[in-house]
Amino acid sequence: DTAVSQTPKYLVTQMGNDKSIKCEQNLGHDTMYWYKQDSKKFLKIMFSYNNKELIINETVPNRFSPKSPDKAHLNLHINSLELGDSAVYFCASSQTRGPGSGANVLTFGAGSRLTVL
Amino acid sequence: QKEVEQDPGPLSVPEGAIVSLNCTYSNSAFQYFMWYRQYSRKGPELLMYTYSSGNKEDGRFTAQVDKSSKYISLFIRDSQPSDSATYLCAMSANFGNEKLTFGTGTRLTIIP
Repeated sequence: DTAVSQTPKYLVTQMGNDKSIKCEQNLGHDTMYWYKQDSKKFLKIMFSYNNKELIINETVPNRFSPKSPDKAHLNLHINSLELGDSAVYFCASSQTRGPGSGANVLTFGAGSRLTVL
Repeated sequence: QKEVEQDPGPLSVPEGAIVSLNCTYSNSAFQYFMWYRQYSRKGPELLMYTYSSGNKEDGRFTAQVDKSSKYISLFIRDSQPSDSATYLCAMSANFGNEKLTFGTGTRLTIIP
């Protein structure tokens, strides 16, 4: 029973197209994230949502638009895809902890590998 | 300069060796330190989690934090081929719901 599942696993598309990646978590967590991992394995946060509210937006081009219909789902839509968008996109979730109550321990999905031709 | 620096490797060691993986960081507000392991074509999974300075042991794995030097380490004893993966350090401050800042990851191969 997958805790954080994202679809599709692989996505190959042409420059200029629009695509979406979906993510769902069944852990009961209240915070969800999108991370981008480049070819050198560097993981960079893009967005985080807490109970459907945008919390973190890390200087991502506005071609990327996250949507959280409920706290168990966080989708990522990308418009006008560019070559530089090729990467693995990871969805993750965590349970909010108050100040001094511990770090956010993230549970990651398996990743969606996007290739833009 | 990145907030978290990690030698990307790759690192290859024979089976049974002791492996040492390290990260340095610049943000003195970091209080929580984690190591994630990522197998090829998979998502990162949490391996070790420590708070502030000190050591933590879990089986063959030991995490060490030296906040005075802003340096963290992960030691793997009796390394196995199944330990071959990319290891990412991650850290955060203590303000509640902080984002994790990751290192670039070290790719480790254990040679049978």
